[in-house]
Amino acid sequence: DTEVTQTPKHLVMGMTNKKSLKCEQHMGHRAMYWYKQKAKKPPELMFVYSYEKLSINESVPSRFSPECPNSSLLNLHLHALQPEDSALYLCASSQRSAGVSETQYFGPGTRLLVL
Amino acid sequence: AQSVTQLGSHVSVSEGALVLLRCNYSSSVPPYLFWYVQYPNQGLQLLLKYTSAATLVKGINGFEAEFKKSETSFHLTKPSAHMSDAAEYFCAVTLQGGGYNKLIFGAGTRLAVHP
Repeated sequence: DTEVTQTPKHLVMGMTNKKSLKCEQHMGHRAMYWYKQKAKKPPELMFVYSYEKLSINESVPSRFSPECPNSSLLNLHLHALQPEDSALYLCASSQRSAGVSETQYFGPGTRLLVL
Repeated sequence: AQSVTQLGSHVSVSEGALVLLRCNYSSSVPPYLFWYVQYPNQGLQLLLKYTSAATLVKGINGFEAEFKKSETSFHLTKPSAHMSDAAEYFCAVTLQGGGYNKLIFGAGTRLAVHP
């Protein structure tokens, strides 16, 4: 089973709202990732968690706050977002975060619209 | 630093025709290369990956790619296109540094298949 699940599929929020995106995998992977994908662009890495610890933050604004409560679950907390934050947010996981041939498995994404 | 360039943002083929999607890489070390496919409103699915075990890599859905060091290329091919192959295709390379690996994506190629 190489499935990564994400909820919700779609999310509409105002600029003053607080919302969370959820990602789950049951493959025993110890690395999890958040990506942001704008329309007609490739995914851009936001955060990497390795063994439930934040390893990489790609200079993401603080209005995005990741959380990894356990090895299977990854959350992305959203607060005071801007319209330009509207995008597809993808979660991925891999067995490890290091290891040059590691394959990342992606979830279906959450399509976020900020009004 | 490692990077990939996808030549052609749009490729259009007839059903049953050869599919050729081009990817060139830049890497100072032996690269690990991936092809992902993204169907409309979905996440990314791994098609295949190159890990130096063999230069010709076979993937899912009849796709394959050949690693050519002399040409720094990793082009994706499929002998006979099907309507269901219409999607966005991303070539990616692993960027190594700081003990962690990051996937660096090309800009993507949108494949259209017409009857």
